Amino acid sequence: GIQVEQSPPDLILQEGANSTLRCNFSDSVNNLQWFHQNPWGQLINLFYIPSGTKQNGRLSATTVATERYSLLYISSSQTTDSGVYFCAVIKAAGNKLTFGGGTRVLVKP
Amino acid sequence: NAGVMQNPRHLVRRRGQEARLRCSPMKGHSHVYWYRQLPEEGLKFMVYLQKENIIDESGMPKERFSAEFPKEGPSILRIQQVVRGDSAAYFCASSLDRKTNEKLFFGSGTQLSVL
Repeated sequence: GIQVEQSPPDLILQEGANSTLRCNFSDSVNNLQWFHQNPWGQLINLFYIPSGTKQNGRLSATTVATERYSLLYISSSQTTDSGVYFCAVIKAAGNKLTFGGGTRVLVKP
Repeated sequence: NAGVMQNPRHLVRRRGQEARLRCSPMKGHSHVYWYRQLPEEGLKFMVYLQKENIIDESGMPKERFSAEFPKEGPSILRIQQVVRGDSAAYFCASSLDRKTNEKLFFGSGTQLSVL
């Protein structure tokens, strides 16, 4: 099956800092989503971004499908950004989301 | 429009008991996916169902686990004779259609603890 690798596995930030999370995938995809799992376990869909760039407030994401990677940018981080960020993909002709291992983010005040 | 509803939020079972996890998809959604998350790990696909049909169960353990999505009512993930290794968070997601260019919406999960 398709492999999804996220880096870094852990990230500690000072409030106000910027950061970039990376997601590499091993095969062609036609669906890529970024999720935030908050400390209470809830999964929030941040972006549906199989290609191109999108922005939502302090978060933005870019997917370069031809090079099989996606980036999630967090700017001016806040303590509420803490949690685990997951990248998930559906490979071309597939029917299920495959998740990466996540990046655990801790934003310190 | 309520989101994906899962219950119970927490479920405690002793070894050998049965666990039943329920998932009501978003209104109008006929496709349901179940995922399992072990502590400190990502989500692993278990099964994909459409109303009354199992489309893909490639992630389901061969024994003790079953899933259904009846014409009426919620989707049920059933685990028989639970063991400690079944302790995990179980998430359900739903989508409107089978198109791959769609967002999946997740419920808040059921945390299963096996004593």
